[in-house]
Amino acid sequence: KAGVTQTPRYLIKTRGQQVTLSCSPISGHRSVSWYQQTPGQGLQFLFEYFSETQRNKGNFPGRFSGRQFSNSRSEMNVSTLELGDSALYLCASSLIGTGGYGYTFGSGTRLTVV
Amino acid sequence: DQQVKQNSPSLSVQEGRISILNCDYTNSMFDYFLWYKKYPAEGPTFLISISSIKDKNEDGRFTVFLNKSAKHLSLHIVPSQPGDSAVYFCAASIANAGKSTFGDGTTLTVKP
Repeated sequence: KAGVTQTPRYLIKTRGQQVTLSCSPISGHRSVSWYQQTPGQGLQFLFEYFSETQRNKGNFPGRFSGRQFSNSRSEMNVSTLELGDSALYLCASSLIGTGGYGYTFGSGTRLTVV
Repeated sequence: DQQVKQNSPSLSVQEGRISILNCDYTNSMFDYFLWYKKYPAEGPTFLISISSIKDKNEDGRFTVFLNKSAKHLSLHIVPSQPGDSAVYFCAASIANAGKSTFGDGTTLTVKP
């Protein structure tokens, strides 16, 4: 079966711009989570959506937002980009988003803010 | 407050020997603990998990041990292979919370 697809793979944006990243989960998975990974850091939780509802949110400023569509596809948006937003953004999907079943991650979107 | 910590940024072992990766946590509410492996330019791949009501879970060459009193878990890889060289992340989750908390990762290098 197809894995988690994230588009685009690479992105270069200018400070102050906004960006939208897309994630298509595994078919049948209703939970989509977003994580940010910066050099030397673990994965920082951004938010999780389950059946189009945001169920949990991490400690990121309001410039970071997301949504989930009825087909479980998800997007995250970052407005007014800052240099510190440069990171690998990972999307993960799972059936129900909890428990010991683990997430399936996409390959990520590498965002560079210049 | 970092609730999940991997105190060793790197580990190097010889092929065929045992690799032991460690993880400590502070939140006693965690219900599940998971290990992921990550290669460069790829997303993390789920390896193995353990419920907080168990103390050991085994899957092939991978075994995870949980010591709840010490709030410590470890991943054992036996025997280690060069293809195991990757970054390993420890993660913990609370049932129905919809999020996992990750450690900073340990880079494992298995030398031929």
